[in-house]
Formats: sequence, structure tokens, C-alpha cells
Amino acid sequence: DAKTTQPNSMESNEEEPVHLPCNHSTISGTDYIHWYRQLPSQGPEYVIHGLTSNVNNRMASLAIAEDRKSSTLILHRATLRDAAVYYCILRATGNQFYFGTGTSLTVIP
Amino acid sequence: GAVVSQHPSRVICKSGTSVKIECRSLDFQATTMFWYRQFPKQSLMLMATSNEGSKATYEQGVEKDKFLINHASLTLSTLTVTSAHPEDSSFYICSAPWAPNTEAFFGQGTRLTVV
Repeated sequence: DAKTTQPNSMESNEEEPVHLPCNHSTISGTDYIHWYRQLPSQGPEYVIHGLTSNVNNRMASLAIAEDRKSSTLILHRATLRDAAVYYCILRATGNQFYFGTGTSLTVIP
Repeated sequence: GAVVSQHPSRVICKSGTSVKIECRSLDFQATTMFWYRQFPKQSLMLMATSNEGSKATYEQGVEKDKFLINHASLTLSTLTVTSAHPEDSSFYICSAPWAPNTEAFFGQGTRLTVV
């Protein structure tokens, strides 16, 4: 039931910005776009979510395309602690979270 | 902030025995909780939706008689793996949404090893 497409892996140099893309061409009008990340042997951690407008929080920014068929998670300055698997998930109100394959981010010192 | 706690974090059991995993929402009430299973180097797979005061809803292919879910209160859901076999060895994770249109919080996961 995963309805998102992400690159399997990406690399970034430490202290540089990272742009993690996600395609969700079948998104419906009530789907929220959520991003989570997971470190090995830990539960996923919430990063950010949005519906239509771009969103910013202390962890990251979420840029949502005007047609909502894609979005980009932006980490402004990657640190070694940002190395994780990042999941982009669509969620309708009150519905379950279905995880896709995610993007494994490697941060190079 | 809101926290979801899972217990135990790690368990080893013998084949044929049952194991219970608890998932608690610590500072908010969760009428709905979700249970996931994750095999090594794979993504999370949704197993079931736990509903407070009613029966759980299982995803297709998940055996409801093998994975018993009880959501007896607004802060506690339990997953019991019955008659466990080695192939049930996995990382089990629960989550609860703070509110319908907000983020979900995830437990730290339970590593189950069946020997």
C-alpha cells in the first residue's frame, strides 16, 4: 500500500544541505505528507509533515510541489547524527501509516 | 513531548511458547495504535490496527490467531505472539498518533528471537 517512491540511498558531506526527494503522484486531496527517520534497531522518529504549504521546524524543512505530486525533505546542515533511513509516507486523516522502502542517508565526515 | 513506550526491548523465547509485548502511550490517550514488524534491512510492515474497546483490524496475510492484540485501555495495547516459531523472529514496533492529522509516535521496538 506504499504510495511513495524514494531513491534507495543518498550521500551527503557533513555540514552541507541535503535534499531528499519523494514522488507521490497518486496523492489524494486529503493525504498528509509525513517524513520519519529510523536509526538501526530503533523505532522511527518523526521529522516533519505537511499538507499543501511548505513547512519548517527545528529539524528540517518540507518543500511540497504545487501539484503535491512530489515533495522534498531538506536538512539544512547534515550532521553525522542525521545518518538514517528516511521514510516519506502519505497518510489520510485517521488512517494508518504505510511505509515504503525509504532512503538510506549516509553522511560523510 | 508525547512518548510511546514498548516493553520489553528484547526477548528470547523457545519455539512453541507465547510472548507478550506491551505498548504504552505515556502522556496522551490513544484510541488507536498500530503494530508493525520489520525484518533485517527491510522496511516496516503494518500488521494490524489496535482499537480501544473493540477488535483489532489485521492487514491482509497477517494471522489474527497467531498475533493476538488487546487494547484494553486508552494507554495500553498488547501484542501476543502465540506458539512462536523461529520465522517469527523480528523487530516489532508499535505506534500511536497524537491526533488524527498529526504525527505518530513510535515505540523503541522489541527484538524478538525465537530459538
